[in-house]
Amino acid sequence: GQNIDQPTEMTATEGAIVQINCTYQTSGFNGLFWYQQHAGEAPTFLSYNVLDGLEEKGRFSSFLSRSKGYSYLLLKELQMKDSASYLCAVLSGGSYIPTFGRGTSLIVHP
Amino acid sequence: SAVISQKPSRDICQRGTSLTIQCQVDSQVTMMFWYRQQPGQSLTLIATANQGSEATYESGFVIDKFPISRPNLTFSTLTVSNMSPEDSSIYLCSVGEGGSSGEQFFGPGTRLTVL
Repeated sequence: GQNIDQPTEMTATEGAIVQINCTYQTSGFNGLFWYQQHAGEAPTFLSYNVLDGLEEKGRFSSFLSRSKGYSYLLLKELQMKDSASYLCAVLSGGSYIPTFGRGTSLIVHP
Repeated sequence: SAVISQKPSRDICQRGTSLTIQCQVDSQVTMMFWYRQQPGQSLTLIATANQGSEATYESGFVIDKFPISRPNLTFSTLTVSNMSPEDSSIYLCSVGEGGSSGEQFFGPGTRLTVL
């Protein structure tokens, strides 16, 4: 089985930087996704990491350490519209379907 | 990216009845999935909808409760049968090529409330 852990909720200030962590325990790791989900909407893809290191995409970056079973999503220059749930999802064990964590609800305030 | 629509977007149903949710994709896709997302919870995979054969269900989900159809590569339905209040949830259809070849795209979801 898999165990994926994320903080339940985080708050941050507009314009700041926030780091959302995800730890996982799994066998046969094949990759890790981050999704963004606004309230009442479908999840949308943000990033995919399969190798160690940092992947940067505009204001969002995602980091992976396979040896530590750890990833984080870094959001810079926070905007109010970044208030959403951020889901970590792990691909492993030969499955082609990721397992999702519970998500981290990020609240950005002025 | 695929454009996915779901019908209905929301419904309120009585205990013991059934509801069929439709998922339509604007292009042919290999893999279609049905997820459930209960309040404050993560996405839980119900089943993979296979074109031309029976769906593949995850542990804890059975065909009698959640029958699925997939008559072609652009359409699928999920039925929630003999509903109880515990079935109140958001049901999402998603499509993808699977694994590292690409991300999954999600439909807007169907918000179901069972009284």
